[in-house]
Amino acid sequence: AQSVDQPDAHVTLYEGASLELRCSYSYSAAPYLFWYVQYPGQSLQFLLKYITGDAVVKGTKGFEAEFRKSNSSFNLKKSPAHWSDSAKYFCALEGRNNNRIFFGDGTQLVVKP
Amino acid sequence: GALVYQYPRRTICKSGTSMRMECQAVGFQATSVAWYRQSPQKTFELIALSTVNSAIKYEQNFTQEKFPISHPNLSFSSMTVLNAYLEDRGLYLCGARDRGFGNTLYFGEGSRLIVV
Repeated sequence: AQSVDQPDAHVTLYEGASLELRCSYSYSAAPYLFWYVQYPGQSLQFLLKYITGDAVVKGTKGFEAEFRKSNSSFNLKKSPAHWSDSAKYFCALEGRNNNRIFFGDGTQLVVKP
Repeated sequence: GALVYQYPRRTICKSGTSMRMECQAVGFQATSVAWYRQSPQKTFELIALSTVNSAIKYEQNFTQEKFPISHPNLSFSSMTVLNAYLEDRGLYLCGARDRGFGNTLYFGEGSRLIVV
């Protein structure tokens, strides 16, 4: 079985602060991991992905994520945060042997100016 | 860049009627297409995965009888929601995978289903 947990339904911070959105996963083998962002009324936009290799992957819009096998986490980071980063962020996992991608429940990020 | 178009963007249908939505990959070959539903205030549920040269695989709680999917070529897929009821409302997303872009899944803008 494969699953993704985003423990924080809401995160609020002020512009200029550092943001870190948490994601943990459960999968029996090495996973592919993704972060997507959804702006209000819109679809999903791809931010970044982890396939293999380096633990820190860089993506679009200045975001990066760190893969930590030791605690099965893939947290999204950005510093500094900007008010335009306000959106809902989804962590996703793909099983390497089944090509099925499952999403976490999402974290609603509010960045106050 | 890779583009995925979905049509229609929004449909209002009467309870018990059906809605068909289309997904078009532009500029790449969609070797697999995944359909998702986002119910109000919820996450994205995988409905089914369609891969070229393989049978369409539906997830638990979703059936071919309710959500028939067609994937006739590498640029087009369609899905119908048959006998739609309130619990079927939401945003339906098509995600198309392009091996040329590192196998990333790219999503269309979605087809929103409103049931009245």
